[in-house]
Amino acid sequence: DTAVSQTPKYLVTQMGNDKSIKCEQNLGHDTMYWYKQDSKKFLKIMFSYNNKELIINETVPNRFSPKSPDKAHLNLHINSLELGDSAVYFCASSRAPQGLNSPLHFGNGTRLTVT
Amino acid sequence: TQLLEQSPQFLSIQEGENLTVYCNSSSVFSSLQWYRQEPGEGPVLLVTVVTGGEVKKLKRLTFQFGDARKDSSLHITAAQPGDTGLYLCAAGGGSGGSNYKLTFGKGTLLTVNP
Repeated sequence: DTAVSQTPKYLVTQMGNDKSIKCEQNLGHDTMYWYKQDSKKFLKIMFSYNNKELIINETVPNRFSPKSPDKAHLNLHINSLELGDSAVYFCASSRAPQGLNSPLHFGNGTRLTVT
Repeated sequence: TQLLEQSPQFLSIQEGENLTVYCNSSSVFSSLQWYRQEPGEGPVLLVTVVTGGEVKKLKRLTFQFGDARKDSSLHITAAQPGDTGLYLCAAGGGSGGSNYKLTFGKGTLLTVNP
């Protein structure tokens, strides 16, 4: 029944490591996103894909690389993790690129802690 | 990038009280959405407002979009502990398309004490 699922839910790793977060949606949506929520709960978009094509790429370090093998999946790979990468990362999907009739459906987040 | 200011940032009230939270900007929006986020979960859409002056009700929650489409408010009547959460407003411009982006406010963290 889970609409947008992301794994893992918790990720604790050391500086310099490389890690990936996976996301899958079973809603049949065309558009998927990665958002970052910092310690002050501010939610900021990182990337958006529509039908496997990158359509939004905010100012994010090159160490972050999204990949969409198909429109139901959007993974996030992070190289050379830094302390400042610690945050909760949310995957989301919508029927079409964000607009009036395309609200976002979020996963439950991946809490990344870099030590 | 549109800047959304939400107030108050934190709100702690007793069960049964009423409250209002605000979302303001100097920009005009084509639409505005309200989400609620509970601890350990992702935000969940509550409502979308699109017309200036529009009022929508969702049980004890009343959402209003300003006449000039620059601001919105969320009023909760007789708050219950289950209303506890982070309330986020999000807004965007234009009529859609691949360049359309939602900008989120920083949220109002509501705690309703029994």
